[in-house]
Amino acid sequence: QVQLVQSGAEVKKPGASVKVSCKASGYTFTSYGISWVRQAPGQGLEWMGWISAYNGNTNYAQKLQGRVTMTTDTSTSTAYMELRSLRSDDTAVYYCARDLCSGGSCYGYFDYWGQGTLVTVSS
Amino acid sequence: SYVLTQPPSVSVAPGKTARITCGGNNIGSKSVHWYQQKPGQAPVLVIYYDSDRPSGIPERFSGSNSGNTATLTISRVEAGDEADYYCQVWDSSSDHPHGVFGGGTKLTVL
Repeated sequence: QVQLVQSGAEVKKPGASVKVSCKASGYTFTSYGISWVRQAPGQGLEWMGWISAYNGNTNYAQKLQGRVTMTTDTSTSTAYMELRSLRSDDTAVYYCARDLCSGGSCYGYFDYWGQGTLVTVSS
Repeated sequence: SYVLTQPPSVSVAPGKTARITCGGNNIGSKSVHWYQQKPGQAPVLVIYYDSDRPSGIPERFSGSNSGNTATLTISRVEAGDEADYYCQVWDSSSDHPHGVFGGGTKLTVL
C-alpha cells in the first residue's frame, strides 16, 4: 500500500532553516512527483511547490521563490523540502503529497498524503 | 493570480444532500479536485478531475464543474462526513502553473 512517512516535529528560531523529509513506499517513486502543502494553525491549505521524482524538475510557489528548495533521493525514495530564513508566519503543518506527473511536469491531483510535520518558528 | 471562492460553512441534516461550491473565473475550463480534511488529520482526496471518485470513496460523493462554479455534492449525509472540504485547481496564467486551493468549507452535520 502507498505510504508517505514524514519526519518529526521541529522547533526553529527566526532566520534558521528547516528540512523536512518524506519517505515513500508502496509504489514506483520515480513514476510520480511530490507536492508540498502547508497549513498554518486554523487556516486553509497552501500549495508550496512540486518536484518530479523522475527528473528532478521543480516548480515553486512565487511567494516562496528563493527560500524553498525541494529535492529527492531516488535511492531511498525520499523527498525533502528545505525552507530557509524562517519567519513566525512559516509556523505550520507541512504535508507532502503524491502528485501525478507526465514528462517531468506535475499538474495532477494529490492522491496520497503524508501525516504532516509541525514546524514551529519561535524565538 | 487565480482565486477560488468557497463558502466558509455549510450545514445539513443527516440523510439530506450537501452541496459545497467552489467559484472561480471560468473554472469550467479547468480540472477541479476536492479534498476532505477531518480535525488533526491529513487531507484525503474525494473527487478528482471534476467528477471522478478514488477507490474507497463512497458513491454518495459526486462532483460537477461548469461555467464559473464547481460543486461537490454529498448525498445522504452522515455524521462522519463532518469535515473541512477544499477545492483545488492549477492556475495556468503564468509559464509554470501554480497550485491553488479554495479557502475551505466547514461542513456541519446537524
